[in-house]
Amino acid sequence: DQQVKQNSPSLSVQEGRISILNCDYTNSMFDYFLWYKKYPAEGPTFLISISSIKDKNEDGRFTVFLNKSAKHLSLHIVPSQPGDSAVYFCAGDTGSKLTFGTGTRLQVTL
Amino acid sequence: EAGVAQSPRYKIIEKRQSVAFWCNPISGHATLYWYQQILGQGPKLLIQFQNNGVVDDSQLPKDRFSAERLKGVDSTLKIQPAKLEDSAVYLCASSLVLSDTGELFFGEGSRLTVL
Repeated sequence: DQQVKQNSPSLSVQEGRISILNCDYTNSMFDYFLWYKKYPAEGPTFLISISSIKDKNEDGRFTVFLNKSAKHLSLHIVPSQPGDSAVYFCAGDTGSKLTFGTGTRLQVTL
Repeated sequence: EAGVAQSPRYKIIEKRQSVAFWCNPISGHATLYWYQQILGQGPKLLIQFQNNGVVDDSQLPKDRFSAERLKGVDSTLKIQPAKLEDSAVYLCASSLVLSDTGELFFGEGSRLTVL
């Protein structure tokens, strides 16, 4: 049972445009959602999180939106930069366990 | 502040051989995790330690995988005997006991290839 799903394996966006990465979940016990970014040959690094009681969290160019009724969250990157090219993982946290999605590879082109 | 250290970075073995990975978490982090990331998939939790004790090892294949955390600091993950499907990156992560956001700090990973 895949509790966290990222249905788009890859996404290509032009530099300066908005990148929107999507994530769906099935587990209602998640009380936090996190986004991690991963460059090749490196471990994932924390990017941004959102509590299940909020619907939006913003940090600079990164904004995460949560729609609890739809069990859907999205990460917006505005404006996208070439250095944002990486694999992005969505994760749900029950407070005792983090469950990751399969990731979306973002390519920001010049 | 030093990050999570892992070694070796790369390891190639033949099936049925054994391998061990080492992890040194961030100083002061009581919780340590081992994740397995198979190519094209997200990281999957194998085992979680709180200090010396195991919190969750429900997805650890205990017939071949073992892990220990010595004195609540360093940890080793062992696979014996290895199978072809164990080819993956093994990620170690650590976190504070209490974290507002559940953030984990990952090491660079140990890439295992089983031939």
